[in-house]
Amino acid sequence: DAGVIQSPRHEVTEMGQEVTLRCKPISGHDYLFWYRQTMMRGLELLIYFNNNVPIDDSGMPEDRFSAKMPNASFSTLKIQPSEPRDSAVYFCASSPGVGEQFFGPGTRLTVL
Amino acid sequence: AQSVAQPEDQVNVAEGNPLTVKCTYSVSGNPYLFWYVQYPNRGLQFLLKYITGDNLVKGSYGFEAEFNKSQTSFHLKKPSALVSDSALYFCAVRDSSDSWGKLQFGAGTQVVVTP
Repeated sequence: DAGVIQSPRHEVTEMGQEVTLRCKPISGHDYLFWYRQTMMRGLELLIYFNNNVPIDDSGMPEDRFSAKMPNASFSTLKIQPSEPRDSAVYFCASSPGVGEQFFGPGTRLTVL
Repeated sequence: AQSVAQPEDQVNVAEGNPLTVKCTYSVSGNPYLFWYVQYPNRGLQFLLKYITGDNLVKGSYGFEAEFNKSQTSFHLKKPSALVSDSALYFCAVRDSSDSWGKLQFGAGTQVVVTP
């Protein structure tokens, strides 16, 4: 298996622009998680899905953030409009259940 | 509610010496415990986990961890550290009473192994 796939790996955009991050989980995994990592705040859970259904989005910082999982093999995290404070590394992870989560390589987002 | 504490921001150790990274946790039910490692510009990689059974868990790259219920700890250990072990280490916990797969991660401990 190729593991969790994220795209793009790097994104540089200007304040106010829409940003879409993409994730393909490991086939057969029922859970999908979106995290954000910064030096100041560490690793934060933004939202997670079970069987494509959002379970807990309490970590989503603002209404500017939205996430979807239209099918078992694809999820998006969208920021609209983006702001400089959104600059971070965004990770997607998937899990087959009660065990460990498998992380993707991350998307490094820079908002100018 | 579940929580994890990694009391050390950084651990410094000489190559060949034992390495210990500390982790304590708090859960309502029984804990599921995990260790991850993150190398620069990479995602988190799973090292080992404790779900049930033997308190001493062995994982990847020669790492092991000991579950101590009375001290609510799950310290990561390696008998002889390598320079290549220098990385950021995360402890994570999940409450067994939680029906969902959400993990609570610690703040991370930076390990620096000097030659």
